[in-house]
Amino acid sequence: QTVVTQEPSLTVSPGGTVTLTCASSSGAVTSGYYPSWLQQKPGQALRTLIYSATNKHSWTPARFSGSLLGGKAALTLSGVQPEDEADYYCLLYYGGGWVFGGGTQLTVL
Amino acid sequence: QVQLQESGPGLVKPSQTLSLTCKVSGGSISSGSYFWHWIRQPAGKGLEWIGRIHTIGSTDYNPSLESRVTISVDTSKNQFSLKLNSVTAADTAVYYCAREWSSWGQGTLVTVSS
Repeated sequence: QTVVTQEPSLTVSPGGTVTLTCASSSGAVTSGYYPSWLQQKPGQALRTLIYSATNKHSWTPARFSGSLLGGKAALTLSGVQPEDEADYYCLLYYGGGWVFGGGTQLTVL
Repeated sequence: QVQLQESGPGLVKPSQTLSLTCKVSGGSISSGSYFWHWIRQPAGKGLEWIGRIHTIGSTDYNPSLESRVTISVDTSKNQFSLKLNSVTAADTAVYYCAREWSSWGQGTLVTVSS
């Protein structure tokens, strides 16, 4: 069973920059895994921020960006806002199936 | 942007079948080439992918659930459905439907208990 690993928690100061990563137990994450990034806030619907590694939806704030970095998928937040405090999940495609990472709890402090 | 809404019983007895429906509004489920997914999240835990169905009806399932899961689509009602049989307490979770990977439902809590 493939395991997708994320940092369990990260803390960032308002206005700062933070990078969340997503690793696969099967090796380097490439564009063929179609990495996606989701945001989950209490009481709100899940929201997809990034799909296919780097693509943004119309509702994705400009401060969020996706990339492939050192064999992992990455989500970078530049100029973090207090409202960015949330859980973030990555999602990878494995030829017919998808696997979620365990999620990163981002604290803005 | 399409909107999705899950519905179904909030309480299911052990060993019975969990059945949920995801109603799609704001667009036709059969227009375009999309995958429609089911995901779940036990309280305080992470997300788990359950499976997906394509507009044309092909399906893929999580190997850990495949023996118990069926996802189907009803284009006439603009909805797709999830059936999970032989449920146990471990299947208690919030269940979400989604269109890959843009629109999400609000989620519905299903509790497995006698």
